[in-house]
Amino acid sequence: GNSVTQMEGPVTLSEEAFLTINCTYTATGYPSLFWYVQYPGEGLQLLLKATKADDKGSNKGFEATYRKETTSFHLEKGSVQVSDSAVYFCALRSTGNQFYFGTGTSLTVIP
Amino acid sequence: EPEVTQTPSHQVTQMGQEVILRCVPISNHLYFYWYRQILGQKVEFLVSFYNNEISEKSEIFDDQFSVERPDGSNFTLKIRSTKLEDSAMYFCASILRGTATGELFFGEGSRLTVL
Repeated sequence: GNSVTQMEGPVTLSEEAFLTINCTYTATGYPSLFWYVQYPGEGLQLLLKATKADDKGSNKGFEATYRKETTSFHLEKGSVQVSDSAVYFCALRSTGNQFYFGTGTSLTVIP
Repeated sequence: EPEVTQTPSHQVTQMGQEVILRCVPISNHLYFYWYRQILGQKVEFLVSFYNNEISEKSEIFDDQFSVERPDGSNFTLKIRSTKLEDSAMYFCASILRGTATGELFFGEGSRLTVL
């Protein structure tokens, strides 16, 4: 079946620190992979995506590479800001129209 | 930029009452979804809807829940007799027609509080 396993949080970092949030998946076929971000009190917004193996998604300084060999899609950012404090969700879209979400990782960045 | 809109943003209701949550998906989207999130926890799939019928539903989506698209724009989630454990954020989402790899577009959510 399809599933997403995401690094447990919460994560607390100082401003300008390096961020990694791990995400691995199980899927049949060739899924598309996504990172969504949820700021406090808001809905989920797409942060970045990758639709095939070795694709790198990037946005706002965040990056993630679709690794088929390790079934991973880890989120990274070289230098986090206070404004990056949010909950991050890894997700996959199966070959149908079903989406599977990880449990979310809460990130707090302190000045 | 087109967006998914949801109403109400917050509804407080008594246990046992019926609630209808409304969504207006993006106009050229064809698959519609309802998800819920309890207390900022994980995002749980409820139901997907395509071509005026339910495509898939989760175990959460029992007989107390129903969805419909009464006209060409609105997409509603009805909870017939609310329970305390129905208190959550409910998110509507949609995907663009004809994309096999596209993302979900989410609304801002409707917060339901059952007392």
